[in-house]
Amino acid sequence: DAKTTQPNSMESNEEEPVHLPCNHSTISGTDYIHWYRQLPSQGPEYVIHGLTSNVNNRMASLAIAEDRKSSTLILHRATLRDAAVYYCILRDVGTGNQFYFGTGTSLTVIP
Amino acid sequence: DAGVTQSPTHLIKTRGQQVTLRCSPISGHKSVSWYQQVLGQGPQFIFQYYEKEERGRGNFPDRFSARQFPNYSSELNVNALLLGDSALYLCASTWTGSYNEQFFGPGTRLTVL
Repeated sequence: DAKTTQPNSMESNEEEPVHLPCNHSTISGTDYIHWYRQLPSQGPEYVIHGLTSNVNNRMASLAIAEDRKSSTLILHRATLRDAAVYYCILRDVGTGNQFYFGTGTSLTVIP
Repeated sequence: DAGVTQSPTHLIKTRGQQVTLRCSPISGHKSVSWYQQVLGQGPQFIFQYYEKEERGRGNFPDRFSARQFPNYSSELNVNALLLGDSALYLCASTWTGSYNEQFFGPGTRLTVL
């Protein structure tokens, strides 16, 4: 199974941009990169995903390194509601689209 | 539309007992996956089902089993419970036209004493 590594925790000031890094050095050509977040006492929720190119949606941006061995989730203006555990996940298209979660980064947003 | 629902919300069992957890996917979603989340860790993949067939299995012992019904709901069974099985069990459903987004339920909190 492909693995991801993330910092255990990060802090950000409210309304500041946040860059959450993820390393996935063993990524294969058929792995999609997904980001999910989990708020306290809830199931994970989708944030964004990509394959090779940078991606933007209403929640965040995803920057993928040219060699695909790392990626960065960018929250453009952190709010208190963004405080959560953020998971970087590889979806293995080649063996059935299963999701393999890492340990996640706990984001604290400081007012 | 209702999201993914799971039952029960909480459950307390003793070692050696058996437990059945239930999941109803979002209407129109034919794929269901189960995850185990131990406190302080990320979710770990247990099973994936599509059209009532097992499509993937994570690194879990045979004490864990699951099935999917014709209405696409699913059950996760765990036999001979161990203390280490205490965890949040998450169910996620996917519209198989696109596996890009899994929709997670709130989970079932299992405590084994």
